[in-house]
Formats: sequence, structure tokens, C-alpha cells
Amino acid sequence: AQSVTQPDIHITVSEGASLELRCNYSYGATPYLFWYVQSPGQGLQLLLKYFSGDTLVQGIKGFEAEFKRSQSSFNLRKPSVHWSDAAEYFCAVAPTSYDKVIFGPGTSLSVIP
Amino acid sequence: NAGVTQTPKFRVLKTGQSMTLLCAQDMNHEYMYWYRQDPGMGLRLIHYSVGEGTTAKGEVPDGYNVSRLKKQNFLLGLESAAPSQTSVYFCASSHSPGQQNSNQPQHFGDGTRLSIL
Repeated sequence: AQSVTQPDIHITVSEGASLELRCNYSYGATPYLFWYVQSPGQGLQLLLKYFSGDTLVQGIKGFEAEFKRSQSSFNLRKPSVHWSDAAEYFCAVAPTSYDKVIFGPGTSLSVIP
Repeated sequence: NAGVTQTPKFRVLKTGQSMTLLCAQDMNHEYMYWYRQDPGMGLRLIHYSVGEGTTAKGEVPDGYNVSRLKKQNFLLGLESAAPSQTSVYFCASSHSPGQQNSNQPQHFGDGTRLSIL
């Protein structure tokens, strides 16, 4: 069965520190991979996506993610976190870009000034 | 430039009451989805539609019904609300394979916070 795991329920980092949010997936083939961010009381905003090609993808707000097929991982990174990055982050997979999306449970990020 | 609009944004119901959540999109998307979001569980798909007049069950369809009478609207109904349906509901839409920009992922609304007492 398809599934997405995000091992870290909650992460706290200091402003200016680097960030890595982990995501692992279980899927028969290489799926489409996404990272979404949700600020409190808001909907989901797409940070970045991977369909094919270069395994390091750049997204908005200075985020990037690396697809590692051998590890079935799609970890999200940012070199220097800003206080405004505090939010809930969701990793997601889908067989296509328009098909049913399976979401991970989310990682809540807190940023210490 | 509204995108995906959900109404209402908040609602409190008593057990056994019925209500309908409305999702409207102005992007001419073929596909529409209803998800519910619960703490620690991410978003789970309730029902979805691949075109006007069609609907299909998702991961957690029990207790919900949907209708897609118009391409731009996707309604989610609760016939007899239960406390277990207290959640935040998100609607999303996307292009279909044959449409232009079909490689763009789903667009989400801002959610409807529903409490069942």
C-alpha cells in the first residue's frame, strides 16, 4: 500500500539555523513527490514538487528537496530558517500530478528567535 | 483570481444535524477533491470527482456524500453529523491529463473548520 511517513512530529530550530525535514514513502514505482506548507488557519501552499529529472529540486521561499530513490526519501531542506517559516509541513505522493494525493502526517516547525 | 473557494469557513453543528459544504473553483479544472485534516494524520481523501456528474470514494468516505452537478462546484454533504466528523475540511482541484498545464499539482482552498457537538 502507498504510504508516506514523516518521522519527526515536531521540530524546533533557532532562527538562522539550517533545517532538514525528513520524508519517506512507500510506493511501487517512482511517484510524483510534493512538499506543502500550512500556516496556522490557512490552506496548503505548494513549496516544491518532483516529477522527474534532476533529483535536487528548488522551491519557493528558499526551500529545496532531494529525491533519493535508493532510500525512498524526499527530504526538505533550507540553509537558514526565518521566523516566518514556523508552520506545518506536509510531504505527499501521487501516482501522477493530478491523481489522488497521499499525505504524510505532517511535521510542525517552531522557530526560536 | 479566486482559485478555490470554500464556504463556510467555520460551522458548529449538533449531532444528527445535516449540512453541505461548498467548494467552487474558477480555474476550469476537471478534477476536484474533498479531504479532511485531523491532528497527526495529515490529510485524508474523502471523495473526489474526475468530471461533471461523476464522483468516487476516497480513503474515508463513510458518513459523507458528494455531488458535482456543475464543473466548477463540488459539494460535500453530511446527512447526520457525528462528533467523529469534527475536523478541518479542505477542497482541492486540478487539471486532468488532457488539459493544458496538466502537470500542475492540486490547488487547495483555505479550509472549513467544522465542529460537531
